[in-house]
Amino acid sequence: NAGVTQTPKFQVLKTGQSMTLQCAQDMNHEYMSWYRQDPGMGLRLIHYSVGAGITDQGEVPNGYNVSRSTTEDFPLRLLSAAPSQTSVYFCASSYSKVVLYGYTFGSGTRLTVV
Amino acid sequence: GNSVTQMEGPVTLSEEAFLTINCTYTATGYPSLFWYVQYPGEGLQLLLKATKADDKGSNKGFEATYRKETTSFHLEKGSVQVSDSAVYFCALESGGSNYKLTFGKGTLLTVNP
Repeated sequence: NAGVTQTPKFQVLKTGQSMTLQCAQDMNHEYMSWYRQDPGMGLRLIHYSVGAGITDQGEVPNGYNVSRSTTEDFPLRLLSAAPSQTSVYFCASSYSKVVLYGYTFGSGTRLTVV
Repeated sequence: GNSVTQMEGPVTLSEEAFLTINCTYTATGYPSLFWYVQYPGEGLQLLLKATKADDKGSNKGFEATYRKETTSFHLEKGSVQVSDSAVYFCALESGGSNYKLTFGKGTLLTVNP
C-alpha cells in the first residue's frame, strides 16, 4: 500500500497565486485532515473531513479551502497565497477514531510564498 | 481549551544515554495521549499512545505513562541509539472529537555516537 501520498513535495509560489496541494490515501480511511507545521509552533489543524462530502474547519482555516468528493482524495486549495502561508503541510488519515488507530501522515509539502 | 507543553529542545545525548522528554497537558474531560516521531524529511509516525489514566504506552523501547494527577505523559527510553535522532511530538485528543489532535511544539533529539 502507498499509504498517504502528497504532491508536490516542494513548491514556490508568488504572492497572490493560487494552487492546490494534493492528498490521496489508499487505505479506505474515513477521516482525513490537513495540518501545517511551523518552527516553534508544532502542528496546527487547518481543515478536516469525517467522510466523503463532509468537511469542517480546524483552528487555522483562513485562506484555505477543501473538498472531499471521494473517500480517497482530500485536496487543499490556497486561494491567494500570502507569505504567512509559507510552511510545511501534512495530510493525515485515520480509519476510524484517532484514539484507537492514530493518524497516518503523508511525507509533507514544503511551500514557500515569495 | 486544550494545550500541550513539551520541554524545550534541542536535546543532545550520547549513545546509550537515558532519555526523558517531558510533556504536560491541559484538557477538558479525559483525553487520550500520544507520542509521535518525525524522522528527517518524513511525516509523523505514531510512536505510542495511552487512552486512560495509569496506562503505559510502549514501543521500540520507548515508554510513557499517563499520569492524571500530574497531567503528564513523559517519554522515556533507557538507552538511546543514533537512529533515535528525530523530532518528538506529544499530542492529545479530547472533547469527544475523535479525530482532532492538539500537538505540542516538538522536541528535537540528536544522539551522537
